[in-house]
Amino acid sequence: GQGVEQPAKLMSVEGTFARVNCTYSTSGFNGLSWYQQREGQAPVFLSYVVLDGLKDSGHFSTFLSRSNGYSYLLLTELQIKDSASYLCAVRIDTNAYKVIFGKGTHLHVLP
Amino acid sequence: DAGVTQTPRHEVAEKGQTIILKCEPVSGHNDLFWYRQTKIQGLELLSYFRSKSLMEDGGAFKDRFKAEMLNSSFSTLKIQPTEPKDSAVYLCASSYDWGGAYEQYFGPGTRLTVL
Repeated sequence: GQGVEQPAKLMSVEGTFARVNCTYSTSGFNGLSWYQQREGQAPVFLSYVVLDGLKDSGHFSTFLSRSNGYSYLLLTELQIKDSASYLCAVRIDTNAYKVIFGKGTHLHVLP
Repeated sequence: DAGVTQTPRHEVAEKGQTIILKCEPVSGHNDLFWYRQTKIQGLELLSYFRSKSLMEDGGAFKDRFKAEMLNSSFSTLKIQPTEPKDSAVYLCASSYDWGGAYEQYFGPGTRLTVL
């Protein structure tokens, strides 16, 4: 079957970095998005990648390897407010609704 | 620009009741989604509209869940009859598919508790 997998929890320390992993196995691939969701709030779009390699967007960077079905979101210079869930979403074809979301990784940033 | 708005923010229903959740998408967006979110299942697609036409009705959710889009700026999700297992956060999202990065804009959600 098709799936997008993420570890449930991740902990890191303020001022350091955190890497949130996402692996996927899908019938097709038409882009991968990352969303941030704070407790009790809506998911907020962070990044979209469709080509292999690292996309540096400052505080957030995104890596994609399509051949390995793997992506990660890298957060640098962590702040306490980065504590949130991070959702990975894979669009499997050109139909807009064919997006499979992972269940999210809850990142806890320690002081 | 206003984001996606949803009402009510919280709803408590008795088993067997009918409830209607409302959503106003971002102006100009032609895609609208209804999702259900729980800790166990994550985000599950309930319905998808493109330019007000229902394109996907979420298969397993067809039975008691009905989404409608009466005009491009308003959508409803009716759950009839409600069951305790429907307790979850219901999220509405909208987007515009311009062929590039596909970003969904989510509303704040409605937290539904069914007793």
